[in-house]
Amino acid sequence: GQQLNQSPQSMFIQEGEDVSMNCTSSSIFNTWLWYKQDPGEGPVLLIALYKAGELTSNGRLTAQFGITRKDSFLNISASIPSDVGIYFCAGLTDSWGKLQFGAGTQVVVTP
Amino acid sequence: DAGVTQSPTHLIKTRGQHVTLRCSPISGHKSVSWYQQVLGQGPQFIFQYYEKEERGRGNFPDRFSARQFPNYSSELNVNALLLGDSALYLCASSPWDRGTDTQYFGPGTRLTVL
Repeated sequence: GQQLNQSPQSMFIQEGEDVSMNCTSSSIFNTWLWYKQDPGEGPVLLIALYKAGELTSNGRLTAQFGITRKDSFLNISASIPSDVGIYFCAGLTDSWGKLQFGAGTQVVVTP
Repeated sequence: DAGVTQSPTHLIKTRGQHVTLRCSPISGHKSVSWYQQVLGQGPQFIFQYYEKEERGRGNFPDRFSARQFPNYSSELNVNALLLGDSALYLCASSPWDRGTDTQYFGPGTRLTVL
């Protein structure tokens, strides 16, 4: 089952507002990845984080790798309608393979 | 450049049948991983292959098997299908650079078991 606690489960926001979501775990991760998934499609990689404390931006998206290596957050600034979707955090405890996913945060943007 | 491709996009099978799903990684990527995503949940790890060898296996029964070919494409096989196998099956490839395993996903194969 899921070992990552992702919150909130869902968010209903107005266009132009900022969005913040986070993931926490009892385990230490070496890599944090944030994905966005639209209905019926595969997850699309948004941001990858490789070092504790790392802060990385991708356009209006900003994510940070927590200092304790047990958490990460994703911020979306000035949301637009195309930000609608489900956002997943995922982490690697080893250098290889088994990505562990959070349960996802569903974002709904209203005009 | 082409991303990860998967075939077929949709599949309907009946209980007890067998299914084969296919994946082609991004050009230059040597690692392929398979995930199962049940509606409303995050993907669950099934297998990872690197250079044609199994590198990791998730908590799935032996009915699930996979292999990787010399061109790095991969197949996921599921025998004796159960209703609970209905899910989106995702393939991910990774370049294995920066000493870590950043994975890029394909569009998935939607499997429905009746």
